[in-house]
Parts: sequence; C-alpha cells; structure tokens
Amino acid sequence: AQSVTQLGSHVSVSEGALVLLRCNYSSSVPPYLFWYVQYPNQGLQLLLKYTSAATLVKGINGFEAEFKKSETSFHLTKPSAHMSDAAEYFCAVSDGSYDKVIFGPGTSLSVIP
Amino acid sequence: DADVTQTPRNRITKTGKRIMLECSQTKGHDRMYWYRQDPGLGLRLIYYSFDVKDINKGEISDGYSVSRQAQAKFSLSLESAIPNQTALYFCATSDPASSDTQYFGPGTRLTVL
Repeated sequence: AQSVTQLGSHVSVSEGALVLLRCNYSSSVPPYLFWYVQYPNQGLQLLLKYTSAATLVKGINGFEAEFKKSETSFHLTKPSAHMSDAAEYFCAVSDGSYDKVIFGPGTSLSVIP
Repeated sequence: DADVTQTPRNRITKTGKRIMLECSQTKGHDRMYWYRQDPGLGLRLIYYSFDVKDINKGEISDGYSVSRQAQAKFSLSLESAIPNQTALYFCATSDPASSDTQYFGPGTRLTVL
C-alpha cells in the first residue's frame, strides 16, 4: 500500500531563509507526486506535481521539488521564505491508476519576521 | 465563481442528529471525493465516486453515506452524528487527464456536541 511521511509537523524559518519541507513516499510503481498548500480557512490548492517528466519540478510562488527515486523522496524547497508562505503543506502520492491519492499528515510552516 | 463549492461552511450540531454536507462543482469532472481533515492526520478519504453510478468507500467510511445526485453534485451524510466526527470536511474533484490533480472546495467545519 502507498504511504507518505512528512518529517516535521511544524517548521519555522526566518523571512528570507531557505524553506525545506521533507516528504518520503512508498510506492511499488512509479508514482505521481504532489505538493498542496492550504492557507488558513481555505481548501488545498496544488503547488506542483511530478508525473515522470523532469525530476526537478517548478511550482507556483517560487517553490520547487526534486524527485529522487533512490531516496524515495520529493522534498519541497524555496530559496527565500516570505511571510505569505506561512501555511500548511501536504505531500501526496498516487500510483497513476486513477484510483485515489494518499496524503501525508502535513507540515505547518511558520515564517518569522 | 469558485469551481468547487461546499455548503454549509460551518455547522454545529448535536449528537444523534442527521447532517448533510453538500458539494457542487462546475469543472465538469466525473470524479468527486469527500475527505476529512484532522490535526496531525492529514486528509483521509471517506468516499469517492468516478461517475454518477459509481460510489466507492474510502478508508474511513463507517458512520457516513454519500449520494451522487448528478455529475456536478456529491453529498455527504452523517446519519447519526457523534462527537468524534467533529472535523474539517473537504470535497474535491479530479480529472484523469490531469494526472490525478485534485481540486478542492473551501471546506466545511463541522462540530458535533
């Protein structure tokens, strides 16, 4: 069965610092991988996704993630944090069978002025 | 206008009451989903539907039922609400042509007293 782990339920960074949110997955087949962001009182929205094209995926708001098959990881990064990046971030995996998507537990990002 | 809408946005009810949460979408997607979100647990799938005649249980369907009234409408019911069903509920849609990307509604915050 597929699963997703996100190391760190809460991450705090200073404004302007590097953002690194970790995601590891387990999947028996080449996966589709996603990062979603949830701002307060809103639903989730897609940040970026990997679908077996380029391993480095660029998303909205300056975020990017790199698919590393050998490490079964899909970590999310942003070079310079902005106050508006404070939100909950969810990593998700699908096996591409169009069945369902499995979400990780989420990481809450705080940005300190 | 939002592509995926949910009503109500907030609801407080008492143990034993029947509750219906409604979801409508204008994206034209066949696939619709209901999730619940609890702190530290991420999103867990309650039910999903791949078309009007196709309804499937997710990982936590006990205590819930659904109805797919039309391609655009997917309702979630709690026949007899209990306090541990207090959570944030999200409806989502997806299109296989977009690699399982999910589009979420704004959520319904349900409190069962």
